[in-house]
Amino acid sequence: QQQVKQSPQSLIVQKGGISIINCAYENTAFDYFPWYQQFPGKGPALLIAIRPDVSEKKEGRFTISFNKSAKQFSLHIMDSQPGDSATYFCAASTSNTGKLIFGQGTTLQVKP
Amino acid sequence: NAGVTQTPKFQVLKTGQSMTLQCAQDMNHEYMSWYRQDPGMGLRLIHYSVGAGITDQGEVPNGYNVSRSTTEDFPLRLLSAAPSQTSVYFCASSYSGRKGYTFGSGTRLTVV
Repeated sequence: QQQVKQSPQSLIVQKGGISIINCAYENTAFDYFPWYQQFPGKGPALLIAIRPDVSEKKEGRFTISFNKSAKQFSLHIMDSQPGDSATYFCAASTSNTGKLIFGQGTTLQVKP
Repeated sequence: NAGVTQTPKFQVLKTGQSMTLQCAQDMNHEYMSWYRQDPGMGLRLIHYSVGAGITDQGEVPNGYNVSRSTTEDFPLRLLSAAPSQTSVYFCASSYSGRKGYTFGSGTRLTVV
């Protein structure tokens, strides 16, 4: 049973376009929702995170939108660049346990 | 600071052999976790710990043991390696359940 479902599996975007990755969760006890970026041969690195008491968080070109009632959250990458080409993972946790569960990942390719 | 250090980086095992993957962090983080990464499966949680002496099972714990005798170290033991355990293993640590995890660079394990 996949607790965090991520889509699409892969995404191709032109340079300057908007990349959108979606995630859905079932466990209403989740209270921390981070996104990670991973380059080939490297470990994942924290990109941006949100808590369920806000509906949106923006850091530079990266924005998380959060819909608590629908149990969904998404990552938007504005003005996508070739350097953004990587695998992106959404995740969710219950903060008092530290148990962080990941989605299946999205491979993003930004074409120049 | 070295961050999260994993050793070895590469390992080839024969079926039935045992081994320990080492993980050490120098950030005084209480939370530590082990993940395995397989194509199309994302990162799956094996075991996690919220402090020295406290461990719990994740999504895929079978065939793996952990212990946490110190804050700094969180070794992962493969009891009797199987080809299904061929994967990339990541160790991660965090200050708290509401802070992002810092990942190591991974151990690529092949079981033949």
